[in-house]
Amino acid sequence: GDSVTQMEGPVTLSEEAFLTINCTYTATGYPSLFWYVQYPGEGLQLLLKATKADDKGSNKGFEATYRKETTSFHLEKGSVQVSDSAVYFCALSGSARQLTFGSGTQLTVLP
Amino acid sequence: KAGVTQTPRYLIKTRGQQVTLSCSPISGHRSVSWYQQTPGQGLQFLFEYFSETQRNKGNFPGRFSGRQFSNSRSEMNVSTLELGDSALYLCASSARQGFNYGYTFGSGTRLTVV
Repeated sequence: GDSVTQMEGPVTLSEEAFLTINCTYTATGYPSLFWYVQYPGEGLQLLLKATKADDKGSNKGFEATYRKETTSFHLEKGSVQVSDSAVYFCALSGSARQLTFGSGTQLTVLP
Repeated sequence: KAGVTQTPRYLIKTRGQQVTLSCSPISGHRSVSWYQQTPGQGLQFLFEYFSETQRNKGNFPGRFSGRQFSNSRSEMNVSTLELGDSALYLCASSARQGFNYGYTFGSGTRLTVV
């Protein structure tokens, strides 16, 4: 079945550091890929998405490229801010017609 | 534009009781999905409703059920509560069926079973 493997956290960075959170997936066919973010006490917010190979999703300085050859969708940001501290979830929508989530990565950015 | 509204935000129930959670989707959205979030199991899909019909169901026991009304509002019911049902229950809505179209999540209902 579909599965998502996400870089384990927690990740602690200093402000303005470069961020990478790794995400790889297993799915049949051509899934759509997503990154969601969850701030403390809140639900999930869609950060970005990509629906086909080589697509690049981007939002608020975050980027991720759909790499079918490596089955990956790594999240990157060139310069993180304290306000980016949250839990980040990689997810896919595939043949099962539901969102399958990774385990989440807690990011803490220190001033 | 109002977001997805889940009520109540917090709930404490006793083992063996039943509980009903409510979700009001974004106006115009016809698809509603439910997820359970726990520290141990992460985010797990419960079910999806579109136009009052259950379209997809996850691997949860029959104690978990749901429905959708003609105004797209949805309720989720859990009967005979167990301690392990303690979780954050998230509802998400979309204008169309299928996760490719981007679902908007509510803030969730935190259920504690004692």
